[in-house]
Amino acid sequence: RKEVEQDPGPFNVPEGATVAFNCTYSNSASQSFFWYRQDCRKEPKLLMSVYSSGNEDGRFTAQLNRASQYISLLIRDSKLSDSATYLCVAGGLGGTYKYIFGTGTRLKVLA
Amino acid sequence: NAGVTQTPKFQVLKTGQSMTLQCAQDMNHNSMYWYRQDPGMGLRLIYYSASEGTTDKGEVPNGYNVSRLNKREFSLRLESAAPSQTSVYFCASSGGQNNEQFFGPGTRLTVL
Repeated sequence: RKEVEQDPGPFNVPEGATVAFNCTYSNSASQSFFWYRQDCRKEPKLLMSVYSSGNEDGRFTAQLNRASQYISLLIRDSKLSDSATYLCVAGGLGGTYKYIFGTGTRLKVLA
Repeated sequence: NAGVTQTPKFQVLKTGQSMTLQCAQDMNHNSMYWYRQDPGMGLRLIYYSASEGTTDKGEVPNGYNVSRLNKREFSLRLESAAPSQTSVYFCASSGGQNNEQFFGPGTRLTVL
């Protein structure tokens, strides 16, 4: 079993739709969680950190469920520019700096 | 403020050749990382440096060496390149309250 698992997609959604991604992690000692966005042939860019209480940044909402060991990302009112691969990250075990990246979920927003 | 920079952007090597990938950050971060990204495999940690003067192996360290030259610079060396090392290499640094990682633009390496 992979340490961080994501549905690879692609998720094809029309503009304006709401789309949600889930990600599961296997190590219950993981302390830090993030969502990154990666465009084709580009570096990953931080989208948002994920906090236990959940957090929102504009159209993006992230949730953490420690009991079930999953992280979610909700995108509202999808834009064409949201088309990218979204990477889930878990780690920071024992105060270390090791983070495990999921293989990513591809999103295509269609006009 | 350039963030994380990497050189070169592209490189083609023959099997057995050596090379060093350079990485520098100007964000005053303590920690730096080297990852490789292959199709279907996601990002895999090669080596990391929690702070200046320390380095540790990640998930896939074989065939690589690293040097944390100073707080800003972290280099990755391939002593004898193999076709299995064909990949995209990303350097990252982290700091701040949540220790978020920030990535460089990557080096696309092909080993023939």
